Amino acid sequence: DSGVTQTPKHLITATGQRVTLRCSPRSGDLSVYWYQQSLDQGLQFLIQYYNGEERAKGNILERFSAQQFPDLHSELNLSSLELGDSALYFCASSVGLVSYNEQFFGPGTRLTVL
Amino acid sequence: ELKVEQNPLFLSMQEGKNYTIYCNYSTTSDRLYWYRQDPGKSLESLFVLLSNGAVKQEGRLMASLDTKARLSTLHITAAVHDLSATYFCAVDRVGGNQFYFGTGTSLTVIP
Repeated sequence: DSGVTQTPKHLITATGQRVTLRCSPRSGDLSVYWYQQSLDQGLQFLIQYYNGEERAKGNILERFSAQQFPDLHSELNLSSLELGDSALYFCASSVGLVSYNEQFFGPGTRLTVL
Repeated sequence: ELKVEQNPLFLSMQEGKNYTIYCNYSTTSDRLYWYRQDPGKSLESLFVLLSNGAVKQEGRLMASLDTKARLSTLHITAAVHDLSATYFCAVDRVGGNQFYFGTGTSLTVIP
């Protein structure tokens, strides 16, 4: 158990809908990273937040947005969902800002868009 | 566009044998990461390599980094069944916390 929690574990929804994925980092970790894993695209880095502020952006679509709250949990919002958004979404947390701090991954949320 | 290539994509090896997984990347990067993913599970961070010539070892796994060749290797020594998993490398573009992942190497260790 990494100490990072993600909810829900599974999510099934329809095209055009909007969903919110939630991540709670390990106690004491200030950075949260979001990743997407799909058969088509492989593993992709989406975005990083540190202590409530966006710090790095990867291949995140404009239909997706994220935020980190004062209690350090983070949410990834996916809107106008398409079939291709079906994937496993991981969050990870680390203690510091820099990327080379060890990251601890949550169990993931499996999103299925029908 | 930064590209990260791993080979082989699939690796089946017998217990007790040695093998190496290669990770090539296409642009300057000082930082290279290795992760493990068990089937149906999340990712686990294995190694963070921060400079040219860096070498790290944990049990039967040893990772190294050659930034001039833009190459990292993950060497498996005397493989055991518990090492069966998919291994990913990732690089971090200089100047930013942006990760680019390889395609992964699916390792099966046969008893």
